[in-house]
Amino acid sequence: DAGVTQSPTHLIKTRGQQVTLRCSPKSGHDTVSWYQQALGQGPQFIFQYYEEEERQRGNFPDRFSGHQFPNYSSELNVNALLLGDSALYLCASSSTTSAETQYFGPGTRLLVL
Amino acid sequence: AQSVTQLDSQVPVFEEAPVELRCNYSSSVSVYLFWYVQYPNQGLQLLLKYLSGSTLVKGINGFEAEFNKSQTSFHLRKPSVHISDTAEYFCAVSETGTASKLTFGTGTRLQVTL
Repeated sequence: DAGVTQSPTHLIKTRGQQVTLRCSPKSGHDTVSWYQQALGQGPQFIFQYYEEEERQRGNFPDRFSGHQFPNYSSELNVNALLLGDSALYLCASSSTTSAETQYFGPGTRLLVL
Repeated sequence: AQSVTQLDSQVPVFEEAPVELRCNYSSSVSVYLFWYVQYPNQGLQLLLKYLSGSTLVKGINGFEAEFNKSQTSFHLRKPSVHISDTAEYFCAVSETGTASKLTFGTGTRLQVTL
């Protein structure tokens, strides 16, 4: 039973560029949440997708957008990258039958130069 | 809105000694409580969770936590730590009900030495 998977594992971009991160949820899960973890900090909630729609959103600018596909996988897009966007981006999935418990992937480490 | 405070940024402890990692939360609504562990260069692994019922919750790797509603605390304990427990530990809360966002503390680095 595969857990949550994310790609790529590492990414280097320059300021102003755009990036797309991908996530496949745990088998049987239909809800995907994205978190940003800056160095030395706890994860911060970006947004959550369910039934291909954004259901909740944290305090992140519109430069951060997402998408969920019919197979429940998800993408996180960040436009006009800033140095401060350098972080570990974590994807978490959950199911409607056990909605309170989120399982995390290994993360994508983004470095913006 | 919820908030989580982990007062200890680092906790050094000798192997086989007991440890307690402290977590306090603030919320105007009922919450679920979680502890996650993060090993170097990895994602978060769920250690244990409190949803309802018994206030003493047992998790993986010999960890347990106790929910104290009057003190709004959810401290994590282990009676005897191992070198392999060295990691970052995060306390988190979410609103009860539907799948809600997790609000995390800033983490506690547990450093176990011989």
